[in-house]
Amino acid sequence: EIVLTQSPGTLSLSPGERAALSCRASQSVSSSYLAWYQQKPGQAPRLLIYDASSRATGIPDRFSGSGSGTDFTLTISRLEPEDFAVYYCHQYGASPWTFGQGTKVEIK
Amino acid sequence: EVQLVESGGGLVQPGGSLRLSCAASGFTFNTYSMNWVRQAPGKGLEWVSYIGGTDSTIYYADSVKGRFTISRDNAKNSLYLQMNSLRDEDTAVYYCARDPHSYGGPYYFDNWGQGTLVTVSS
Repeated sequence: EIVLTQSPGTLSLSPGERAALSCRASQSVSSSYLAWYQQKPGQAPRLLIYDASSRATGIPDRFSGSGSGTDFTLTISRLEPEDFAVYYCHQYGASPWTFGQGTKVEIK
Repeated sequence: EVQLVESGGGLVQPGGSLRLSCAASGFTFNTYSMNWVRQAPGKGLEWVSYIGGTDSTIYYADSVKGRFTISRDNAKNSLYLQMNSLRDEDTAVYYCARDPHSYGGPYYFDNWGQGTLVTVSS
């Protein structure tokens, strides 16, 4: 099983700042089959990034994904008030399909 | 607009059964693969099961294999999850989630329902 470890657990930042969220895999993720989701309290997750770096439909360009192999990053270039949430990475390159434990981005 | 609406959650005793449903609209249901993903209270996401759109492929997480059964009725644009022999650790919000591919998955999940809460407790 591919274990995804997200860091940091919590990121405390101010609006307008840049956020960099890390997702490290215990084995190489084939074909960069890695996605990122945003989840706000009481809501379903929302797809942000797929295939490591492709933005989903309707996602602002301040969100970007990068990486390959075992190291992936979600970057939010300038935090907007609505971006404070929990973010999960997800690998779909190998069974069982797994998620990271999440990174909470909170207002400093 | 894509809509996924889950129903069927509730309180059930350990060892009991429950059937979840997901009603889909706004897209050609029979050409998309579908999944169930769950989230225990205060915890992260866990993929549960997958069913192909244009093929018959079905997958389960080891934690539910042999107890849960995924199915779909394309005529009714509906996805189901039959859950038997429920355990305390199955307590979670269950989401149905669309895979944007018709087969070969699961891949990522581009649309999610609002979820339905299943509570397993005596």
